[in-house]
Amino acid sequence: GAGVSQSPSNKVTEKGKDVELRCDPISGHTALYWYRQSLGQGLEFLIYFQGNSAPDKSGLPSDRFSAERTGGSVSTLTIQRTQQEDSAVYLCASSRGATQYFGPGTRLTVL
Amino acid sequence: GDSVTQMEGPVTLSEEAFLTINCTYTATGYPSLFWYVQYPGEGLQLLLKATKADDKGSNKGFEATYRKETTSFHLEKGSVQVSDSAVYFCALSVSNDYKLSFGAGTTVTVRA
Repeated sequence: GAGVSQSPSNKVTEKGKDVELRCDPISGHTALYWYRQSLGQGLEFLIYFQGNSAPDKSGLPSDRFSAERTGGSVSTLTIQRTQQEDSAVYLCASSRGATQYFGPGTRLTVL
Repeated sequence: GDSVTQMEGPVTLSEEAFLTINCTYTATGYPSLFWYVQYPGEGLQLLLKATKADDKGSNKGFEATYRKETTSFHLEKGSVQVSDSAVYFCALSVSNDYKLSFGAGTTVTVRA
């Protein structure tokens, strides 16, 4: 596709459940980022992948959060044992340089 | 740490009015500066950027100049339209990994 795609667009889950969020970056983009947009915290960096290098996980808020990127393309963000404070819009972006292109986001609601 | 402070909103103005959204930053090194825009129901889009001091970014009638002496990157548009109603985010990146630090966002509503 022409842009970054994310799925699902909306996810409602119960507290304590695990969730997986998917990101398909723009073809050829070597860098992939995850951000979180929430009312209380604004836009926060979570994790960054660049090629085959070890990811920069410095923005992950707790060890319940993890992410992987398979084959240098698709990425999955996993949140284990979800809490209500995890409710937010999770944004994925990809780039080949300084300009990041964002996907539409996944809105996660934890009940 | 690196941070961005931008003007609190919301901002409401009439069509053809002048818009300014202030943005200042704190960073180690020499950051690249960005304005992103989020239109209602849409994802984040890059509006403009500047990568070194005194550079001016421009797009869609918007402009912002990278001012190192005042650590600022204020966004301006001379005559806004209803279609400019959106949330505007100032952001910076300071390292080769380009991860972004965002301001809190400013909601702008333009009335006909």
